[in-house]
Amino acid sequence: ETGVTQSPTHLIKTRGQQVTLRCSSQSGHNTVSWYQQALGQGPQFIFQYYREEENGRGNFPPRFSGLQFPNYSSELNVNALELDDSALYLCASSFRGMDETQYFGPGTRLLVL
Amino acid sequence: QKEVEQDPGPLSVPEGAIVSLNCTYSNSAFQYFMWYRQYSRKGPELLMYTYSSGNKEDGRFTAQVDKSSKYISLFIRDSQPSDSATYLCAMSESGGSNYKLTFGKGTLLTVNP
Repeated sequence: ETGVTQSPTHLIKTRGQQVTLRCSSQSGHNTVSWYQQALGQGPQFIFQYYREEENGRGNFPPRFSGLQFPNYSSELNVNALELDDSALYLCASSFRGMDETQYFGPGTRLLVL
Repeated sequence: QKEVEQDPGPLSVPEGAIVSLNCTYSNSAFQYFMWYRQYSRKGPELLMYTYSSGNKEDGRFTAQVDKSSKYISLFIRDSQPSDSATYLCAMSESGGSNYKLTFGKGTLLTVNP
């Protein structure tokens, strides 16, 4: 059984650019959630995808968007990057209908200059 | 007032000590309570998962939930240097469409040999 993987591990962008982060769910999981973790803070919920549709969203602007694919992998897209978007972006997968425990990937560290 | 409050520490203890980590919360709808461990520059790893009030023990770890006081705790017995990490409490209202995790800020623990 493979765990949650994320790519890339690190990324540097400049303000105003766009970025796409990728996540592969743990085998057998059908739900993906994305979180933003700023330095020294706990993760904050961005949104969740189930059956390729957004299923719950946190307090993040529309320039944060996502996709879930039929194989349950997922992307997080952020447009018009701001300096405050610098953070660790975490993907978590789970299986709706069973214990629904969320298992996290190692994260993508994004730095916006 | 934040939904979940957690003392960020840092907390430094000698090897073999009993460690007590705590969180308080304000949202009475929270029913699922988790503790995650996060090593530096890694994603959170699930340690304990409890539903509603009560105690749960797993090896050297004990999780306690007191819903009447809106207070949860994690105890680590016989602490080891390998326990040095940030400990995050997390909570959710339910599974399904409401299943987003709300995290505390995390407590940085160092266990000294």
